[in-house]
Amino acid sequence: AQSVTQPDIHITVSEGASLELRCNYSYGATPYLFWYVQSPGQGLQLLLKYFSGDTLVQGIKGFEAEFKRSQSSFNLRKPSVHWSDAAEYFCATLRQAAGNKLTFGGGTRVLVKP
Amino acid sequence: EPEVTQTPSHQVTQMGQEVILRCVPISNHLYFYWYRQILGQKVEFLVSFYNNEISEKSEIFDDQFSVERPDGSNFTLKIRSTKLEDSAMYFCASKGGQGDGYTFGSGTRLTVV
Repeated sequence: AQSVTQPDIHITVSEGASLELRCNYSYGATPYLFWYVQSPGQGLQLLLKYFSGDTLVQGIKGFEAEFKRSQSSFNLRKPSVHWSDAAEYFCATLRQAAGNKLTFGGGTRVLVKP
Repeated sequence: EPEVTQTPSHQVTQMGQEVILRCVPISNHLYFYWYRQILGQKVEFLVSFYNNEISEKSEIFDDQFSVERPDGSNFTLKIRSTKLEDSAMYFCASKGGQGDGYTFGSGTRLTVV
């Protein structure tokens, strides 16, 4: 069965500093991978996705993620964090089978210090 | 940009009551989903719906749950007799085709008292 692990439950970063959120997946074939952001009281907004091709994926809000097959990772990065980036971030993988359901990681809550 | 709309945003119900959570997916999308997130826990898959039938459901989606697409625009989740442990944020999502990403609604927070 596929699974997604986000090792960091909380990360605190200073405004203007860089951010990296870790995501590891367990899946036999090449997965479809996603990063979602959830601001307090809000829904899930897609930041970026990887299906195939270039392993460095650009997303919205200045985020990027890199797919590394050898490490089974899809880490999310942003060079300079803004206070509005404080939110919970979810990595997810999609299984191309009946239902095409997403499997989510446990999430990483990002706090931004002024 | 097209949105998935969910109503209501909050619902409080008494244990044992029936609730219907409503969703309007993006109009040309073909795949529809419900997920839930219990406070402090990860987002969990409930059910997927395609071609007017359930294509996959999780262990959570027992006989108390049902989904319906009654009129070609709405997609509803019904919980027949709510339990305290059904309190969660429920997310509806839709996607256009096999290779597309999901679009999620902003969720309905259900509180069972």
